[in-house]
Amino acid sequence: QKEVEQNSGPLSVPEGAIASLNCTYSDRGSQSFFWYRQYSGKSPELIMFIYSNGDKEDGRFTAQLNKASQYVSLLIRDSQPSDSATYLCAVNPITGRRALTFGSGTRLQVQP
Amino acid sequence: NAGVTQTPKFQVLKTGQSMTLQCAQDMNHNSMYWYRQDPGMGLRLIYYSASEGTTDKGEVPNGYNVSRLNKREFSLRLESAAPSQTSVYFCASSGQAFGSNQPQHFGDGTRLSIL
Repeated sequence: QKEVEQNSGPLSVPEGAIASLNCTYSDRGSQSFFWYRQYSGKSPELIMFIYSNGDKEDGRFTAQLNKASQYVSLLIRDSQPSDSATYLCAVNPITGRRALTFGSGTRLQVQP
Repeated sequence: NAGVTQTPKFQVLKTGQSMTLQCAQDMNHNSMYWYRQDPGMGLRLIYYSASEGTTDKGEVPNGYNVSRLNKREFSLRLESAAPSQTSVYFCASSGQAFGSNQPQHFGDGTRLSIL
């Protein structure tokens, strides 16, 4: 089992719709969770982080965390073609001296 | 306002050649990281340095060495390049590494091809 799992996609949504991206993780003690966006040929850029159970909103983005079920999700409201990218979920594990663990990413396509 | 700077941006090597990838950050971060990214594999940690003077292996360290030259700089060396090391290499930094809520900030990457 991978430590951080994401559906590779592509996830295709029409412009203006809500895109829902999901991520599950295996380390139950993980404390912090990050979403990065990566455009093709570019480096990952941080878009949101969440530490507590529940929802966290930032503009059109909402991160949702459920530690009991070990999943974290990212909702993008009013999706735009410029949101088309790969979204990487990253988890800070509590066990061992390790750095962030990344999922392999979900490719999002927003159709105009 | 550079953030994390990597050099070079592109490089082509022949099998068996050596080279060093350079990374520098100007955010006064304690921790620095080297990742490789291959299609369908996501980001895989090669080595990291939690603080100046320390380095640790990540998920895929074989064939690589690192040096944390000072707080700002963290270099990655390929001693004898192999075609399997063809990849995009990203350097990142963060305030702290372990048990930390601090995110990592990435450089623009080095695209390395080994023939």
